[in-house]
Amino acid sequence: EAQVTQNPRYLITVTGKKLTVTCSQNMNHEYMSWYRQDPGLGLRQIYYSMNVEVTDKGDVPEGYKVSRKEKRNFPLILESPSPNQTSLYFCASRDRLAADSYEQYFGPGTRLTVT
Amino acid sequence: AQSVTQPDIHITVSEGASLELRCNYSYGATPYLFWYVQSPGQGLQLLLKYFSGDTLVQGIKGFEAEFKRSQSSFNLRKPSVHWSDAAEYFCAVGAQGNKLVFGAGTILRVKS
Repeated sequence: EAQVTQNPRYLITVTGKKLTVTCSQNMNHEYMSWYRQDPGLGLRQIYYSMNVEVTDKGDVPEGYKVSRKEKRNFPLILESPSPNQTSLYFCASRDRLAADSYEQYFGPGTRLTVT
Repeated sequence: AQSVTQPDIHITVSEGASLELRCNYSYGATPYLFWYVQSPGQGLQLLLKYFSGDTLVQGIKGFEAEFKRSQSSFNLRKPSVHWSDAAEYFCAVGAQGNKLVFGAGTILRVKS
């Protein structure tokens, strides 16, 4: 089954404790991205990656890092989480070479709480 | 910059009634437009998409949307709402930087 998986699904942590949220897709997609969802703001892009070793900032990258060492994986790293990073996070992927398509496939989400 | 506006934060409709969720976008070229639905505690599911061609687009679960370039709108409709349609709905536009720009969402409540 074609899918995007994220782990963990739920995470409660404390301020300053480094954490990583993993994302993996099995569709051989070149493009992957991370979004955060906050009430009243919809989803906003954090980082994206066009291919292995190619990453770029989205609209809200502060406080986040990413890496793309393998095509299927795109982990989101919070080096020193703060309470304002409490949010619902979504990983997404798409086939960059698909004609005329911005359609992205979303993971199930990771709910992060930073106390 | 591209933007999406969903004017209604909450909408309540009776089961069996018709539904229209509004979406206005700002984009210079021909937009790629999407509607996603998020049920409580769930991820995002694509309802329908528009890239070109026929301006009336059919989606899953009986939803449709109409692209109106003159009004910069892409409103979502359903002729008869079911209780299971209660969810949050997001309109999105494909934008520069290979991203989707989302609206703030509309929460749909269904009265029985």
